[in-house]
Amino acid sequence: NAGVMQNPRHLVRRRGQEARLRCSPMKGHSHVYWYRQLPEEGLKFMVYLQKENIIDESGMPKERFSAEFPKEGPSILRIQQVVRGDSAAYFCASSPEGNGYGYTFGSGTRLTVV
Amino acid sequence: GDSVTQMEGPVTLSEEACLTINCTYTATGYPSLFWYVQYPGEGLQLLLKATKADDKGSNKGFEATYRKETTSFHLEKGSVQVSDSAVYFCALGRQGAQKLVFGQGTRLTINP
Repeated sequence: NAGVMQNPRHLVRRRGQEARLRCSPMKGHSHVYWYRQLPEEGLKFMVYLQKENIIDESGMPKERFSAEFPKEGPSILRIQQVVRGDSAAYFCASSPEGNGYGYTFGSGTRLTVV
Repeated sequence: GDSVTQMEGPVTLSEEACLTINCTYTATGYPSLFWYVQYPGEGLQLLLKATKADDKGSNKGFEATYRKETTSFHLEKGSVQVSDSAVYFCALGRQGAQKLVFGQGTRLTINP
């Protein structure tokens, strides 16, 4: 039973490029959460999605960031026109229900903007 | 709003030493409290949790007690091992809510 799969593990982008981060939840999990971890900081909530729906995006920056969780395929976190301040580790978690008790985290994608 | 504060690291101990990592929270009502551990290059793993006041969570020799009166959830272990070296995060969640609020993390290094 594979865990939460994130890819790529490491992503390097030049300023102004787009970054696409993928997250496949655990089998049977229909709730996906994205968190960002800036260097030497804790994780900060970004967005919570169910299949085809964004439920809570209160932690998403207003510009350049978007997320989706289509009916088929992984959840995608998309960052347009990346800047150096976007360099961080982005973690995805999934759960079978919409609460904080059954989270399973992926290993993260480490984005470096050069 | 809700917040979690952890003792600042890094913390370096010798093997078999006693460990305490302090965690305090600010929240109304009765949140649930968690400790997560992040080993190098990996994602976060749930270490233990407590869902109501005076509950004690325990796992792998680690313990933490939910203290409502001091709004604390300190992580303790009586005898640490080199394999315990990791970053430890205290977190808060609410019944019916989807997101967790994390502390800033404490990096623990255990020397043989």
